Amino acid sequence: GENVEQHPSTLSVQEGDSAVIKCTYSDSASNYFPWYKQELGKRPQLIIDIRSNVGEKKDQRIAVTLNKTAKHFSLHITETQPEDSAVYFCAGFVVDTDKLIFGTGTRLQVFP
Amino acid sequence: GAVVSQHPSWVICKSGTSVKIECRSLDFQATTMFWYRQFPKQSLMLMATSNEGSKATYEQGVEKDKFLINHASLTLSTLTVTSAHPEDSSFYICSASRGQGSYEQYFGPGTRLTVT
Repeated sequence: GENVEQHPSTLSVQEGDSAVIKCTYSDSASNYFPWYKQELGKRPQLIIDIRSNVGEKKDQRIAVTLNKTAKHFSLHITETQPEDSAVYFCAGFVVDTDKLIFGTGTRLQVFP
Repeated sequence: GAVVSQHPSWVICKSGTSVKIECRSLDFQATTMFWYRQFPKQSLMLMATSNEGSKATYEQGVEKDKFLINHASLTLSTLTVTSAHPEDSSFYICSASRGQGSYEQYFGPGTRLTVT
């Protein structure tokens, strides 16, 4: 089955700096990779996603890159702001099962 | 569009009792619904997948007789935690999908269960 690994588990950056979170997946059948932001006690919120036929996608300060050959994808946040502080999860979607398998999460802290 | 609600948002129950959590898709038909459990400072762990009108598929290690899932309509799935114990205390989150090959899952706000 699919396994998604995520690094780092915690990340602290100064406001205005960039943050990068990396994930690797095991199942080559996975074809959709969303990223979620979760604040304490709340539901995961989709912030960006990428499909396997695309190498990069950008939405304002957030970008995601995908390397299918290496089976890894990354979230890039530029010009970080204190309100970016949260836990971020990557996930892999396995098409045959419609399941989302989540990474272990990264706690991002942005210091003003 | 694509709003999912959960009820209750939090519940406290005594050990040995059962608790039912509802998950509703408010503005779309959810062919498939998923139930996740999230312990503090951990990731979302998929418990089971339910398709409308059929039996749920449980992930390895999840007791189907303890976590009863019913997906009786295209807008409602329920999770019943039977004979709850303190170790079942967790944040339970549902998500809904429009169905086969539909990538995006829409998450409910979660239910915090505390078993005393």
